This record gives sequence, structure tokens and C-alpha cells, in this order.
Amino acid sequence: NAGVMQNPRHLVRRRGQEARLRCSPMKGHSHVYWYRQLPEEGLKFMVYLQKENIIDESGMPKERFSAEFPKEGPSILRIQQVVRGDSAAYFCASSPGSTGELFFGEGSRLTVL
Amino acid sequence: GIQVEQSPPDLILQEGANSTLRCNFSDSVNNLQWFHQNPWGQLINLFYIPSGTKQNGRLSATTVATERYSLLYISSSQTTDSGVYFCAVPGFMEYGNKLVFGAGTILRVKS
Repeated sequence: NAGVMQNPRHLVRRRGQEARLRCSPMKGHSHVYWYRQLPEEGLKFMVYLQKENIIDESGMPKERFSAEFPKEGPSILRIQQVVRGDSAAYFCASSPGSTGELFFGEGSRLTVL
Repeated sequence: GIQVEQSPPDLILQEGANSTLRCNFSDSVNNLQWFHQNPWGQLINLFYIPSGTKQNGRLSATTVATERYSLLYISSSQTTDSGVYFCAVPGFMEYGNKLVFGAGTILRVKS
């Protein structure tokens, strides 16, 4: 049973470009969370989604960031017009229900030049 | 919101030594997870432990929910145990399991 799959593992963008990070949850999991880890810091919650619905986006920056989890396909975290401060590791987690253990992917590391 | 404090912030061990990491949290919780982030940045689930004690090889964890703390024990440490250890508990959320992470304990095991 494959774990949470994230890609790309590493992404380099220049300022002003767009970054798209993908997350495929574990089989049977319909709840997805995105977290951001800035250098030398812990993980911070960004957004919680279920299929086709954003449940809680209280941790998302108000501008340039968006997330979706379509009926078919992976969850996408999209960052428009990236800035250097967006350089971080972005982790996705999934769970089978609204409570219980979260399982994390290996993260996508974004570097903005 | 809920506060999560981990101690010690840094720990250096000689290979073979034992250690105890602590996680305090400021409010009642119904679950708690421990993670190991290895030097390559991967986040590995160690324990899902709302209460009681669990063991997995050289690692064990105990959560005393009524006293709002959890302990992670590492016995006979190995260099591969190096990395950052995080505990995480649910923050307030009407629906879902939004985890709030502590700042972590950085562990270095020397050979």
C-alpha cells in the first residue's frame, strides 16, 4: 500500500513564476492537509480539504496561494507569482476520516531564486 | 490556540545512550503524534498515541493526557536516530484534525 505521494520532490522557480505541487493521498484516504515548513522551523498548517471541498483554509496566505482536491486526481497546491519568502518545504498529509492519525508525504522543496 | 512545548531543544548523545524527549501541551487533546524528521527532510510517523504507552523496537512513547504531556524514549541510540523529533496535537477545529506542531528536539547521535 503506497504512502502519500508528493511531486515534485524539488522545484526551483524564479521570482514571479508559478509553482504547482501535487499530492496523492494514501489509498482510501479522502482527507488531505497541506503544511509548510520554513527553514529551521516546525510545520505550520495551511489548508484542509476533502474531495471537491475546502474545509479549512485558515492557514493559507490571503493572496497568491490556492489549493484544490478534485473529484479525480491529486490535490494541488498552487502558488502564483512566487517570492523568495515562499522557499520552504511543503508537506501533504492524508487521513481516512476527519479524526485519527495523519500520514505525511516526503515533502516538496520549493526554492525561489 | 493550543500551545505545544518540546524539551530539550537540542540533545547530543553518544551512540548507545538512552534519552527521553518531552512534549507538553496547554489544553486537553484526543490524540497526539510523534514524528522523526531525518537529515534528508523526510517526516516519519513514529507513534499515534492519544494515551497510554506504546513500544516499537528501541522507541517507546507514553502520553498522560490528564496531565497534558507525552514522553518519547529512545534506548540504545544509533547514529540513524539523528534528526528532529516533533510532537503534534490537534488544534481547535470544528471538523478535521489540524495538527499543531511543537518546535522540535534536535537530536545528534555521535559514533
